[in-house]
Amino acid sequence: GQQLNQSPQSMFIQEGEDVSMNCTSSSIFNTWLWYKQDPGEGPVLLIALYKAGELTSNGRLTAQFGITRKDSFLNISASIPSDVGIYFCAGLNTNAGKSTFGDGTTLTVKP
Amino acid sequence: DTEVTQTPKHLVMGMTNKKSLKCEQHMGHRAMYWYKQKAKKPPELMFVYSYEKLSINESVPSRFSPECPNSSLLNLHLHALQPEDSALYLCASSPGGGRSEQYFGPGTRLTVT
Repeated sequence: GQQLNQSPQSMFIQEGEDVSMNCTSSSIFNTWLWYKQDPGEGPVLLIALYKAGELTSNGRLTAQFGITRKDSFLNISASIPSDVGIYFCAGLNTNAGKSTFGDGTTLTVKP
Repeated sequence: DTEVTQTPKHLVMGMTNKKSLKCEQHMGHRAMYWYKQKAKKPPELMFVYSYEKLSINESVPSRFSPECPNSSLLNLHLHALQPEDSALYLCASSPGGGRSEQYFGPGTRLTVT
């Protein structure tokens, strides 16, 4: 089946630093999604990307849909303590009806 | 409004019990999903309903039985579960019609004793 490689697995950063994480796949997707999950809660959708090359921002978050359709990255600028959590990427093809999730990036922000 | 609600928030059940998880969305979404999530792992897809019909069953054991009474509701009936079924159960919905981003509920934390 399809697999996503999400990296890094974990990050420990100082408040105010910028963060970058990415997902790569051997398969093509027509949609990339980025989620944040806090402990004991459901994933919250951060950004949805639908077009190859698309660059989308949501506040301090910026994500891009890779031109090859096999990768995506998420950047967080000027991190704050509430950015702590697990970030998941997900790739999907609309016709297939289901998403493939990366294993997540655990972000720790030190005040 | 991008809210998916789930009840109960927590559930403890014995291996001989029968219980149900409930999910509701009022966004007019046409697809609804059940996922199982273990700690520090990504969500694992269990079932997909599209236009109230079961479209995907990811080879889930029959002790899990989904039901979609209408376009806003999704249930997951549980019977004779095993301790390894303890997990966070997540419901999600997506708009359909070419838009496939999924919105998740807060989950039900299930413990099987």
